Amino acid sequence: SAVISQKPSRDICQRGTSLTIQCQVDSQVTMMFWYRQQPGQSLTLIATANQGSEATYESGFVIDKFPISRPNLTFSTLTVSNMSPEDSSIYLCSVATGGVLNEQFFGPGTRLTVL
Amino acid sequence: QKEVEQDPGPLSVPEGAIVSLNCTYSNSAFQYFMWYRQYSRKGPELLMYTYSSGNKEDGRFTAQVDKSSKYISLFIRDSQPSDSATYLCAMSAMRSDSWGKLQFGAGTQVVVTP
Repeated sequence: SAVISQKPSRDICQRGTSLTIQCQVDSQVTMMFWYRQQPGQSLTLIATANQGSEATYESGFVIDKFPISRPNLTFSTLTVSNMSPEDSSIYLCSVATGGVLNEQFFGPGTRLTVL
Repeated sequence: QKEVEQDPGPLSVPEGAIVSLNCTYSNSAFQYFMWYRQYSRKGPELLMYTYSSGNKEDGRFTAQVDKSSKYISLFIRDSQPSDSATYLCAMSAMRSDSWGKLQFGAGTQVVVTP
């Protein structure tokens, strides 16, 4: 497994602003992912953060709204841009370690409230 | 129709009972199956991981996969109040365009009462 930390753990933001969430892993990992968990719902994959190339976004998510950086094999950021109350959610990063990329471990999450 | 269906519960059981959880799915390409436990205000914690059909046991936890029925189960024996959490099933296909992409169920809230 891997130890994953996220910053901030929670934040309350105003409509129209942006927030950058950081994800740090204690070891080098090939693949990192960003998920959203809306209130009372399950996890939805936003994008795969690729080291050295642009992130790969899932249907319904776009780079202008959720820009992602992956400068090295232990760190990634997700920015939630031009926020609206509908963006209120928990944002989680996960990592896939070893040779089995489907075995994923999650960070503690960032709880975002947009007013 | 969602690709992964899971009853959200809540499921309430007395301490010491067996907790039985399940998910159904529609995508026959799924071959990797996982169960996560999520405590309130925490990230999901990987409990069990299985590939294709069959059973896997780890301590008090048993995971079963029946690909012919597109049905997976998690059993928790001798349940404890500390098992109270939301349990999420997740699955993934073995395709180059699906590496690492997990489809989650809605999660079942479990409450174990002393």
